[in-house]
Amino acid sequence: GENVEQHPSTLSVQEGDSAVIKCTYSDSASNYFPWYKQELGKGPQLIIDIRSNVGEKKDQRIAVTLNKTAKHFSLHITETQPEDSAVYFCAARGTALIFGKGTTLSVSS
Amino acid sequence: GAVVSQHPSWVICKSGTSVKIECRSLDFQATTMFWYRQFPKQSLMLMATSNEGSKATYEQGVEKDKFLINHASLTLSTLTVTSAHPEDSSFYICSARVSGLQTYTGELFFGEGSRLTVL
Repeated sequence: GENVEQHPSTLSVQEGDSAVIKCTYSDSASNYFPWYKQELGKGPQLIIDIRSNVGEKKDQRIAVTLNKTAKHFSLHITETQPEDSAVYFCAARGTALIFGKGTTLSVSS
Repeated sequence: GAVVSQHPSWVICKSGTSVKIECRSLDFQATTMFWYRQFPKQSLMLMATSNEGSKATYEQGVEKDKFLINHASLTLSTLTVTSAHPEDSSFYICSARVSGLQTYTGELFFGEGSRLTVL
């Protein structure tokens, strides 16, 4: 089955800096790669996603890139703000949506 | 985006009792819903895939007789934790896939989660 690896597990940045989280997946049949933000005690919230026929997608300060050949995808957050602090999960979907282990992002002001 | 509602958001029960958690898609139909379990500071682990009108598909290691899933309509799936024990205490999260020709087709939206504490 699908296996998703996510790095780093924790990431601390200063407000205004960029943050990058990377994920790799194992199943070449996976075709959908969402990113979720989870705040304490809440369910995951979809922040951006990318499908396998696209290499890059951007939504304001958030962007995702996908390299199908290497089977990895990355989340880029620019101009980080304290409210970006949360746990971020990548996921890959083949027959089911499988999550990475999460990255705890801390943005200090 | 589409809205998925879970109820209850927090439940405390005694060991040995059964607890039912509901997952509803509020503004779309979902032929497929997923149930995840999340322990503190860990990732979401898929427990089972729920398909409307048919039996759920459970992931390896998940006891189907302990975690009963019913997907009786296109907008409701329920997870019943039977004879709950303290080790079943966890954060249970459902998600629903937007089906058919609706907006966001194929995307997965999550409920806010249900925290179960078994005493």
